[in-house]
Amino acid sequence: DVQLVESGGGLVQPGGSLRLSCEASGISLKNYWMHWVRQAPGKGLVWISRSNGDGTMRDYADSVRGRFTISRDNAKNTLFMQMNRLTDEDTAVYYCARGGNVLIQREANLLYWWGQGAPVTVSS
Amino acid sequence: EVVLTQSPGTLSLSPGERATLSCGASQSVGGSYLAWFQQKPGQAPRLLIYGSSFRATGIPDRFSGSGSGTDFTLTISRLEPEDFAVYYCQLYDTSPQLTFGGGTRVDIK
Repeated sequence: DVQLVESGGGLVQPGGSLRLSCEASGISLKNYWMHWVRQAPGKGLVWISRSNGDGTMRDYADSVRGRFTISRDNAKNTLFMQMNRLTDEDTAVYYCARGGNVLIQREANLLYWWGQGAPVTVSS
Repeated sequence: EVVLTQSPGTLSLSPGERATLSCGASQSVGGSYLAWFQQKPGQAPRLLIYGSSFRATGIPDRFSGSGSGTDFTLTISRLEPEDFAVYYCQLYDTSPQLTFGGGTRVDIK
């Protein structure tokens, strides 16, 4: 079975930084597009970033570009999100999600599997 | 950028009833790159439907998807107690940005 386990969430002050991790099991991360999606309290799903299999292609939503950086360590089967200059608008549950196989371009953005989420609270 | 609009915002139904959820796209979606997710309180979203009409692995056949172009529908033929949840549509074309609809909550009447 595929499992994605996020960690690294917590309480951080405005202007601070946090690094989320997403450890995968049951799949080889290098073969898949990986995504981060967040959900503010009581709100809907918002996509924020994606990375291709080897990490050479990285895309971001306008709301986080320049502040957040997606990366991966395929040897450790782990995806990361470095979040800097956090504001209260970044308060959310952050989900990592597995996209499609890198060989099937049309399914890069199909989110097959999701982790349980890491809560991030930005507050003074 | 394509905007997805889901309606209604909330659907109040009884177990055993049929649920029809709509997702409208601001521009035509080529290739039927439309997916549906279910999310229960405190849980991660779960993929239900992809390619507009294909059920994901393990999804019961009471769930069905249809549509093309700008109008898509998720139908739950007979609501089971575990189906009361929030449902999101998502466009997953080859764009470097993904789009979700705002969600439809299916409540017990």
